[in-house]
Amino acid sequence: QVQLVESGGGVVQPGRSLRLSCAASGFTFSNYGMHWVRQAPGKGLEWVAVISYDASNKFYADSVKGRFTISRDNSKNTLDLQMNSLRAEDTAVYYCARKTGNWHFDIWGRGTLVTVSS
Amino acid sequence: DIQMTQSPSSVSASVGDRVTITCRASQVISTWLAWYQQKPGKAPKLLIYAASSLQSGVPSRFSGSGSGTDFTLTISSLQPEDFATYYCQQGNSFPLTFGGGTKVEIK
Repeated sequence: QVQLVESGGGVVQPGRSLRLSCAASGFTFSNYGMHWVRQAPGKGLEWVAVISYDASNKFYADSVKGRFTISRDNSKNTLDLQMNSLRAEDTAVYYCARKTGNWHFDIWGRGTLVTVSS
Repeated sequence: DIQMTQSPSSVSASVGDRVTITCRASQVISTWLAWYQQKPGKAPKLLIYAASSLQSGVPSRFSGSGSGTDFTLTISSLQPEDFATYYCQQGNSFPLTFGGGTKVEIK
C-alpha cells in the first residue's frame, strides 16, 4: 500500500545538525513532489519545505531557509531533510507528505520527533 | 504570507449534530484550499481539496464550500470517530500556510 516512513529523529543540542529521511513505497515516487511539514508539541501544522518530482525546484519556509536542505534520491525512493544550526524552536514532529496537483498533501508519514535541547 | 484564520478554535457537539467550521484567508486564494483531520498522536488526513472536492475514501458527511477568501467545512451528522482537530491549508502561494486548527470535542 502507499506508505511514507520517516526516520532519523532524536535529541540534539542547539547548534548541531540532524538528517531526517523518508522512505516511500506503494507509488511511483519519481512522479511526485514531496514536502516536509512539522508540528511543535501541542501546536498547529507548519509547512517546512517542498521539492519537485525531479529535484529541479525547492522552496523553503523563511523560518528554515539557509539552515535546512531538502533533497531526494529517486533511485532509492527516499526524501531527506538536512537540518543544520538547530534551534529550540525547531523542536517538533516532522512529517513527510506527498504533494498533490493543488499544492496540498494527500499522503502523510507517521512522523519523527526532533527535540532540540541542551 | 497568506494568513489563514479558523473559527471557532474549539466546538463542543453531540453525535448526530451538524458542525460547521470556517476558514478565512487574508487574501484571495480562489479555491486553493484543503481541509485535514488530525487525531491525537496521528498524522493529518486529507478530507477536502480544491475547496469542495471530497478525497477518495472520505465519508460523504464531510463537505467543503467557498472560494476567494471564505471557506467552510461541514460535517452533516457528527459521528464518534469525527472527534478530532481540523485544519485548513492554502495552496495558492508560498509559503503554504495552515489555519490554527479547530478542535471538535464531545459535548
